Amino acid sequence: DAGITQSPRHKVTETGTPVTLRCHQTENHRYMYWYRQDPGHGLRLIHYSYGVKDTDKGEVSDGYSVSRSKTEDFLLTLESATSSQTSVYFCATAGGLAGPSTGELFFGEGSRLTVL
Amino acid sequence: EDQVTQSPEALRLQEGESSSLNCSYTVSGLRGLFWYRQDPGKGPEFLFTLYSAGEEKEKERLKATLTKKESFLHITAPKPEDSATYLCVIPTTGGGADGLTFGKGTHLIIQP
Repeated sequence: DAGITQSPRHKVTETGTPVTLRCHQTENHRYMYWYRQDPGHGLRLIHYSYGVKDTDKGEVSDGYSVSRSKTEDFLLTLESATSSQTSVYFCATAGGLAGPSTGELFFGEGSRLTVL
Repeated sequence: EDQVTQSPEALRLQEGESSSLNCSYTVSGLRGLFWYRQDPGKGPEFLFTLYSAGEEKEKERLKATLTKKESFLHITAPKPEDSATYLCVIPTTGGGADGLTFGKGTHLIIQP
């Protein structure tokens, strides 16, 4: 198993507060992703990274920012949390030269965020 | 716009009762189709990659097939431990690092 650790695993916060979710990987994978999963929707891409300090927006990036200062860490920040950001957040990684084109992403266990 | 549609949304089977899950897709130039399994409270887990029509992949009681318009995940003589949500996935148009487009999944329940 790829070593992907997400923290915190559960968080309850109030509207308007900042929140940071952390993803840590031990596989030295180049590509890292943040997805959110909501009932009635498939996993949706928030932001992704293709190397240290190289990040880009995904499908649902509004209200989120990311940073990647080291290969192993990818941070997702909600600057001012809103109730619509209540969700389960998954971090994923892909390695090798082909990266995600092989179809094989390795996922963390998820972080459940509730914004009251 | 690339789309992945899975059916049925949910399926309840008796142990040993074989069936198939469907994934239809619309994409300009398929660069692969992937299947994942997701258990409750866990992240998705990769199962298969299919690259061309006619291709088949097998793993235990699961067999994935691909045509030009759809993919099927066949489950033969399932066991309760096969209960999970199965996700059909395609590469996001534009390729590169921006990952994958996930279907909403089929929630499969195998009753003993």
